[in-house]
Amino acid sequence: EAQVTQNPRYLITVTGKKLTVTCSQNMNHEYMSWYRQDPGLGLRQIYYSMNVEVTDKGDVPEGYKVSRKEKRNFPLILESPSPNQTSLYFCASSFLGTGNNSPLHFGNGTRLTVT
Amino acid sequence: AQTVTQSQPEMSVQEAETVTLSCTYDTSESDYYLFWYKQPPSRQMILVIRQEAYKQQNATENRFSVNFQKAAKSFSLKISDSQLGDAAMYFCAYRSANNAGNMLTFGGGTRLMVKP
Repeated sequence: EAQVTQNPRYLITVTGKKLTVTCSQNMNHEYMSWYRQDPGLGLRQIYYSMNVEVTDKGDVPEGYKVSRKEKRNFPLILESPSPNQTSLYFCASSFLGTGNNSPLHFGNGTRLTVT
Repeated sequence: AQTVTQSQPEMSVQEAETVTLSCTYDTSESDYYLFWYKQPPSRQMILVIRQEAYKQQNATENRFSVNFQKAAKSFSLKISDSQLGDAAMYFCAYRSANNAGNMLTFGGGTRLMVKP
């Protein structure tokens, strides 16, 4: 089954304790991205990657890191989480289609709480 | 930068009735794509419908249709014959045809409640 898998689904941590949220897709997509969802703000892009070893900042990259060592994986790293990073996080992927019309496929989200 | 605005934080509709969710956007580009996503309580992001800006014909997917007004920069979603399973958050999203980052710009969302 074609899917984007992110783990964990729920995560509670304390300020300053490094964490990683994993994301994997099995559709051979070139493009992968991370979003955070906050009430009233919709989803905002954190980082994206156009291919292996190619990553770039989205709208809200501060406090996050990513890596793309393999095409299928795109982990999100919080080196020193803070309470303002409490949010719902989504990984998404797509082909780099003509005219950017390829739909984004989303994972099921990770609810992160930082105390 | 593009912005997407959904002016209705919450809407409700009676089962089997029709409801329209509003979305406006701001852009200086002429070539772009617009999307409606549905997010049920399971948190999945499900693509409902999409529209290419160069197409004048409004997109339709079964009970879902859009009213795309390019000059007014408006992209509303109409749900006909509403069902209990339509209850969800709905997000309008914009994507530039020229954006190498492939980024979707989302509105703040509209929570739709369906009354039996």
